Amino acid sequence: GENVEQHPSTLSVQEGDSAVIKCTYSDSASNYFPWYKQELGKRPQLIIDIRSNVGEKKDQRIAVTLNKTAKHFSLHITETQPEDSAVYFCAVLYNFNKFYFGSGTKLNVKP
Amino acid sequence: EAGVVQSPRYKIIEKKQPVAFWCNPISGHNTLYWYLQNLGQGPELLIRYENEEAVDDSQLPKDRFSAERLKGVDSTLKIQPAELGDSAVYLCASSLDQYNEQFFGPGTRLTVL
Repeated sequence: GENVEQHPSTLSVQEGDSAVIKCTYSDSASNYFPWYKQELGKRPQLIIDIRSNVGEKKDQRIAVTLNKTAKHFSLHITETQPEDSAVYFCAVLYNFNKFYFGSGTKLNVKP
Repeated sequence: EAGVVQSPRYKIIEKKQPVAFWCNPISGHNTLYWYLQNLGQGPELLIRYENEEAVDDSQLPKDRFSAERLKGVDSTLKIQPAELGDSAVYLCASSLDQYNEQFFGPGTRLTVL
């Protein structure tokens, strides 16, 4: 969506390395920031989300950090595995009402 | 528990023809979303329902697209008439509310010839 910028569009890492994907948004009233993973030909699935009242959330190898001042949030995947290869989308809930997805990052984890 | 169900899974139509998609959300989910997803891009919200009320349809091309969610459960999305540029995957999703995880259906892949 035009209000959410996601970078990079493609990311290639070696198995075991870390991957970081960043999204920036424009509306300071945004308060919910999920990340979805979409494997080829499949539906998007939530992997982690964060609300505006916290700065970081972790779930095993996946973490999300939120910087409300700078209006950006990032997905961190550590110890990447080939099955992490997919397209990752960030999303933002604006002003309690409008929902926008980023343009996606294609992650390729090389064995 | 069954997930979000969509039908049909695939649809091929000639341009200017009408087409309809159906979605059955997860039981108990008040919020229902229709998205359009083009290849290599993120889902774009078309409309969001809270129960039977369309609370955000600002991105729905109302000249040709319409949607309804009768009784606040199942929903249909219609395009009439379809144009070549409407070819995409149409995703339905549901959630308890807008602050919770969205569960996506398998999508309907529309091809307009």
